[in-house]
Amino acid sequence: EPEVTQTPSHQVTQMGQEVILRCVPISNHLYFYWYRQILGQKVEFLVSFYNNEISEKSEIFDDQFSVERPDGSNFTLKIRSTKLEDSAMYFCASRWEASTDTQYFGPGTRLTVL
Amino acid sequence: GQQVMQIPQYQHVQEGEDFTTYCNSSTTLSNIQWYKQRPGGHPVFLIQLVKSGEVKKQKRLTFQFGEAKKNSSLHITATQTTDVGTYFCAGLGNQGAQKLVFGQGTRLTINP
Repeated sequence: EPEVTQTPSHQVTQMGQEVILRCVPISNHLYFYWYRQILGQKVEFLVSFYNNEISEKSEIFDDQFSVERPDGSNFTLKIRSTKLEDSAMYFCASRWEASTDTQYFGPGTRLTVL
Repeated sequence: GQQVMQIPQYQHVQEGEDFTTYCNSSTTLSNIQWYKQRPGGHPVFLIQLVKSGEVKKQKRLTFQFGEAKKNSSLHITATQTTDVGTYFCAGLGNQGAQKLVFGQGTRLTINP
């Protein structure tokens, strides 16, 4: 069964550094998402991406965050200057087309900001 | 903005007992989805409910969507140790909405 993959599984960085989290969505999917989950808390929506542009973003997704689909397979989340409170599990998700389609989640990248 | 509340936050049961988690949205949902997250894992899709009053079953799991499409429940009959994890509901707002709004989750632990 096709899966969403994410790399790295764990990223440790110093506060103020830039990080790029990578995702490979399921190949025929058209909509892509980033969510985050602070340890012990609920999953929170960050951003959705369709047709090479952001379709919706949350208030968490400020100017420090950006997303990109640099080629036909990868979908990246960049945090320009990480803060301690950015430490969380970041999940990428993708879905095929209709809004009622299932969103499939990747295994996540655990980001630790020191 | 849309909020999804889920109760209880924690539930500990003896193996073989039933378990129920409840989900309430501040706004009407176009559909609601349920996910299970094992400790250290990622959310895994369980089911989606779309129609008002819909009831779906998956073996020992029963999912309901309220008539007003604002609340939902997941009931597990005769829990097994493999049911351990956190169960999240997640709602989609308007038709065509992009983001899933997750509840806080119910963490289920089971005494064997």
